[in-house]
Amino acid sequence: DTAVSQTPKYLVTQMGNDKSIKCEQNLGHDTMYWYKQDSKKFLKIMFSYNNKELIINETVPNRFSPKSPDKAHLNLHINSLELGDSAVYFCASSPGAIRGDTQYFGPGTRLTVL
Amino acid sequence: KNEVEQSPQNLTAQEGEFITINCSYSVGISALHWLQQHPGGGIVSLFMLSSGKKKHGRLIATINIQEKHSSLHITASHPRDSAVYICACNTDKLIFGTGTRLQVFP
Repeated sequence: DTAVSQTPKYLVTQMGNDKSIKCEQNLGHDTMYWYKQDSKKFLKIMFSYNNKELIINETVPNRFSPKSPDKAHLNLHINSLELGDSAVYFCASSPGAIRGDTQYFGPGTRLTVL
Repeated sequence: KNEVEQSPQNLTAQEGEFITINCSYSVGISALHWLQQHPGGGIVSLFMLSSGKKKHGRLIATINIQEKHSSLHITASHPRDSAVYICACNTDKLIFGTGTRLQVFP
């Protein structure tokens, strides 16, 4: 059974489009995260939700909007896609918002904006 | 300058060699993670530690809180260990190092 799953795995789209990436975890974790890995392979946190509440919101353009319908799901919606949004997006989850919890990562979604 | 620095950036080794990857950080942390990113892109958490040393199979991770330094060691390295190893520090969020690309040749 996949612990943290993301769909789609690959996403190719034109500039200006709106797209969503979905994430689901079946681990019963309370906290979920979105990370962006750029072309230089550097990972950076974007958002974190704990029990459907936003707890971390880094300096991310407001074109990016996370949505957590329940604590097992954290989706990422991106409006008006730009070339610089091309990256690999990773979802992750951890048991709680306690600092120091192990995080479990999804397989990543490679977004290419043309 | 990144808050979390890793060295070396790239590392090649012959099968069987002992590998050390270093991580230094400048922030106050509650824990430090070592992650492995496979060539296919998947990320796996190897260790989470806040003091001392942890061992899992051929992998050993140590941390010195006073010196703000951690090391990841791989004993008897194998080509399947080839991956990017990423250090990440837990503050109120995870701050990642730039990664160390390891290639182990047979």
